[in-house]
Amino acid sequence: GENVEQHPSTLSVQEGDSAVIKCTYSDSASNYFPWYKQELGKRPQLIIDIRSNVGEKKDQRIAVTLNKTAKHFSLHITETQPEDSAVYFCAATTWVTSGTYKYIFGTGTRLKVLA
Amino acid sequence: EAQVTQNPRYLITVTGKKLTVTCSQNMNHEYMSWYRQDPGLGLRQIYYSMNVEVTDKGDVPEGYKVSRKEKRNFPLILESPSPNQTSLYFCASSNRDRSTEAFFGQGTRLTVV
Repeated sequence: GENVEQHPSTLSVQEGDSAVIKCTYSDSASNYFPWYKQELGKRPQLIIDIRSNVGEKKDQRIAVTLNKTAKHFSLHITETQPEDSAVYFCAATTWVTSGTYKYIFGTGTRLKVLA
Repeated sequence: EAQVTQNPRYLITVTGKKLTVTCSQNMNHEYMSWYRQDPGLGLRQIYYSMNVEVTDKGDVPEGYKVSRKEKRNFPLILESPSPNQTSLYFCASSNRDRSTEAFFGQGTRLTVV
C-alpha cells in the first residue's frame, strides 16, 4: 500500500541551530503534503503545508520544500527555540477511489531543542 | 469556535466490555477519520468516512467499528476490546478537498486491562 517514510525518528539540536526533517512518499499522485506539530499531551496541529504545484513555502522560521521527481519533502526550522520541542509528523494525501482520499502520516520525529 | 470534540478523554476498561468513543465536529466537514497513535508507529488510520452512511477501512481496522449516521458525528466502537487496543486515539475532520487541513480532537487515552 501507499506509505510515507519519515527520518530521523529523534533529533536533538542546540538552541539557535537549524533542524531538518525529511519524508518520502510512494504515491506519485499525492498532491498535498502537510506538517503537523504535536506538543506533549496535545493534539496534532498543522504548522505548514505545501501543494504539488509549489516547490517551496516559507512561514517565518519554518519552511517546507518539495521534490516531486524524487518524491520527497522536508521541513526546515531555523533559529530553533525551546518551544519548538515537540513531535513532528509529515503526511500526504492520496486518492483511494473517485471522490475519497486517505491521509497517510509518517511515523513522527521527536525534536528536542537544548537550551 | 470551530472544533472537533472527543469523549471521553481517558478510559480504563476491561477486556471484552464494549465501549464507544464519540467524536463530533461543528465545521460541516464531509471527511472524518479515526487514528490510533502508538510509540514509534505514528498515526495509523483506523476508519474514514467521506459522507453520511459511507465508511471505509483504513490501515488498521481490525477490532473496530464506526458509523456515520449524521454528518457531524463519527463514533468509534470497540465491540470486544483487547489489551492490544490500548492506545491514544484521535478523531479528525476535514473538508472534501484532499488538499486541506485535518483538524484533530483532543484525543482519548484508552487502557484495556
